[in-house]
Amino acid sequence: EDQVTQSPEALRLQEGESSSLNCSYTVSGLRGLFWYRQDPGKGPEFLFTLYSAGEEKEKERLKATLTKKESFLHITAPKPEDSATYLCAVHISSGNTGNQFYFGTGTSLTVIP
Amino acid sequence: DAGVTQSPTHLIKTRGQQVTLRCSPISGHKSVSWYQQVLGQGPQFIFQYYEKEERGRGNFPDRFSARQFPNYSSELNVNALLLGDSALYLCASSVMPGSLEQYFGPGTRLTVT
Repeated sequence: EDQVTQSPEALRLQEGESSSLNCSYTVSGLRGLFWYRQDPGKGPEFLFTLYSAGEEKEKERLKATLTKKESFLHITAPKPEDSATYLCAVHISSGNTGNQFYFGTGTSLTVIP
Repeated sequence: DAGVTQSPTHLIKTRGQQVTLRCSPISGHKSVSWYQQVLGQGPQFIFQYYEKEERGRGNFPDRFSARQFPNYSSELNVNALLLGDSALYLCASSVMPGSLEQYFGPGTRLTVT
């Protein structure tokens, strides 16, 4: 069964304390993996797309990496405004079901000033 | 540029009723996807449409249906509403169905009583 699992469920960091969020996946026919940020009551905001193992992408204090079984979102020297839920999702495609998108349940990040 | 727009913002319906939710994609985007997000969970994929054709379908009952119009806007219909259909319904648009850069709208909050 196709699955996306994120850990930890919740993370509290002091401002400036770097850490990593994990997204592990067990899917067949992976087309790519993406990361989103979601603030309460709003739609997810696109951050990154990763297509192949070994790929890395950076944006400000965030860096996403991809292996064959998992992805990491590294947050360097976070600020309070980085507080949000971070969602990981995968895109798979098959002849029977067409495009499918599976999201994890997210990591709720709180950065304390 | 305007982002993805959805209407209505909030909606309250009674069990057994039918509901139609609407989405307008970002200008130039031809693919629209629909997701259901229950509080505390990640979005669940319902449908993807590209140029009026269904390109993907998630594991939802036949009570859920959608269509895309020539101007690339889309409607999601849910018949015979159940209490469990209460959720945030998100629409996302992308340039192509294979593009993982999906941009989400603010969502429609549906409450079924």
